[in-house]
Amino acid sequence: SYDLTQPPSVSVSPGKAASIACSGDKLGQKYASWYQQKPGQSPVLVIYEDDKRPSGIPERFSGSNSGNTATLTISGTQAMDEADYYCQAWDSSTVVFGGGTRLTVL
Amino acid sequence: QVQLQESGPGLVKPSETLSLTCTVSGGSISSYSWSWIRQPPGKGLEWIGYLYYSRSTNYNPSLKSRVTISVDTSKSQFSLKLTSVTAADTATYYCARVVSVPSSRGNWYFDLWGRGTLVTVSS
Repeated sequence: SYDLTQPPSVSVSPGKAASIACSGDKLGQKYASWYQQKPGQSPVLVIYEDDKRPSGIPERFSGSNSGNTATLTISGTQAMDEADYYCQAWDSSTVVFGGGTRLTVL
Repeated sequence: QVQLQESGPGLVKPSETLSLTCTVSGGSISSYSWSWIRQPPGKGLEWIGYLYYSRSTNYNPSLKSRVTISVDTSKSQFSLKLTSVTAADTATYYCARVVSVPSSRGNWYFDLWGRGTLVTVSS
């Protein structure tokens, strides 16, 4: 089975850039998506097709994917960005999620 | 605007069958693929399975022997059945809309989610 690995936690100071990595074998050959989940809420798609933002997602959210790693970057991180983030890919007709990363804005 | 709403019992006894329904409003259920995803308390997301354009299904290999996803297009609903449940199946269950674009890179993601429903397995 295919696995996606994320760090359990990332901390960032307000106004700074936060990067969350998602690693998987040859992940760069697949499309990566990212979801934000705040406590008590459903996940929200923030990045799809590696680097595209859905309508309504702030420009400070960006994504990249190359080699074995996809990266979600939040520039100028705000307190409201504190949440869990999950990467996701599609492999062999199945959906795979990363384990999730808790972003803390200190 | 398309909305998804999960419904079903919040409490299921061990060894019984968990049954949930997702009602799709504001759009055609036949125009998209749909999926079930769950999240145990305090843990990450786990994909359960999908219904591909009301035509076919595919399931997480780890759950495949216990899962059935079906559709009732006349009611604009799709359903999840999970048999022989245990405490490990306690989770918030989400239904979600799938966007799938034919691509050699596997372009498949979830652009719309329901609010989720907590199902507890306990006697």
